[in-house]
Amino acid sequence: NAGVMQNPRHLVRRRGQEARLRCSPMKGHSHVYWYRQLPEEGLKFMVYLQKENIIDESGMPKERFSAEFPKEGPSILRIQQVVRGDSAAYFCASSPGASGGYNEQFFGPGTRLTVL
Amino acid sequence: DAKTTQPPSMDCAEGRAANLPCNHSTISGNEYVYWYRQIHSQGPQYIIHGLKNNETNEMASLIITEDRKSSTLILPHATLRDTAVYYCIVLYNQGGKLIFGQGTELSVKP
Repeated sequence: NAGVMQNPRHLVRRRGQEARLRCSPMKGHSHVYWYRQLPEEGLKFMVYLQKENIIDESGMPKERFSAEFPKEGPSILRIQQVVRGDSAAYFCASSPGASGGYNEQFFGPGTRLTVL
Repeated sequence: DAKTTQPPSMDCAEGRAANLPCNHSTISGNEYVYWYRQIHSQGPQYIIHGLKNNETNEMASLIITEDRKSSTLILPHATLRDTAVYYCIVLYNQGGKLIFGQGTELSVKP
């Protein structure tokens, strides 16, 4: 059973461009979470999604950031008009939900975003 | 969710048991204690969780005090690959965000 997959692993963007980060949850998992880790800082929750629904977006910046988890395909974290302060590691996690435990979240390897 | 307090760093000799403490004095009756770790630059890894009873799996043991105000994660035979930041997290077992504190940076030394 493949683990959580994230791509790309490394992404370089210039200021003002858009960044799209993809996350494929583990097979059978219907819950996806996104976290951000700024350089030399701790992990911060961003958003929690289930298929086609945003459950908790309390950690998402108010502007430029959006996330989706469509019925088919991976979850996408989109950052529009990136700035240097968006440079960070972005981790996706998935969990099976009620049937298998909510908070045993399985993390992907992360996407390292560098904004020039 | 209850707040946790962990020492910022600890050292452990290779092959010895690593005992990582966590205080969670404001924990409520239906909140679980979860432990995760993050090995340098990798995604965090789930280790173990518990409610009241002590728990053991292939990675570690979790000892929760009777009053549930503190717990200890035990790595019985630490190896160099166990060097990581260890996070103690308290929350309801109903889904949602993990709140990561500063954790304990464990260094396993030869």
